[in-house]
Amino acid sequence: SQKIEQNSEALNIQEGKTATLTCNYTNYSPAYLQWYRQDPGRGPVFLLLIRENEKEKRKERLKVTFDTTLKQSLFHITASQPADSATYLCALEVRDDKIIFGKGTRLHILP
Amino acid sequence: DAGVIQSPRHEVTEMGQEVTLRCKPISGHDYLFWYRQTMMRGLELLIYFNNNVPIDDSGMPEDRFSAKMPNASFSTLKIQPSEPRDSAVYFCASSLGGGAEKLFFGSGTQLSVL
Repeated sequence: SQKIEQNSEALNIQEGKTATLTCNYTNYSPAYLQWYRQDPGRGPVFLLLIRENEKEKRKERLKVTFDTTLKQSLFHITASQPADSATYLCALEVRDDKIIFGKGTRLHILP
Repeated sequence: DAGVIQSPRHEVTEMGQEVTLRCKPISGHDYLFWYRQTMMRGLELLIYFNNNVPIDDSGMPEDRFSAKMPNASFSTLKIQPSEPRDSAVYFCASSLGGGAEKLFFGSGTQLSVL
């Protein structure tokens, strides 16, 4: 079946370290992959978009990679801060502009 | 721009009642998406529109659910009759384009069906 997998376990990272989140997908060939941040009680907020012909995208302390052979995207936060604690969601365009999301990974940055 | 506006913010209703959720997308956005979020199933796509036309409603769980977009600035998601398993947070999102464009989400409607 078609699905997007994100680590459903919460991820605890010490402040200042790099947090790495994983998004795996099966049976899709997306042209684009997006990452969002969601805080409790709020809607998701867009962070980064990466295209299939891009291996890596950066924005400040954020970095996203996209490996279409492995069907995987990695999301990195360097020099992590407690304010980075949130749920992070990956999203794919599966066809005809239809965008679906993984369940997200809860990230806790420990001071 | 005020962003995507959803109402009500919270809705508590009894099983069997009709529920209507409302969404005003960002002006100029061509796409409007309705999602439902629960702990168990995550963020599920229910239906999406392009230029007010429904493109894919395969995520709508049952005939009890219906969605309309009568014009570019307004959409509704209706549940009739509502059931306790419909309890979730319902999000509306809009974008300028399809998969190559970022989604802007509203604050969501927390629905509780007793």
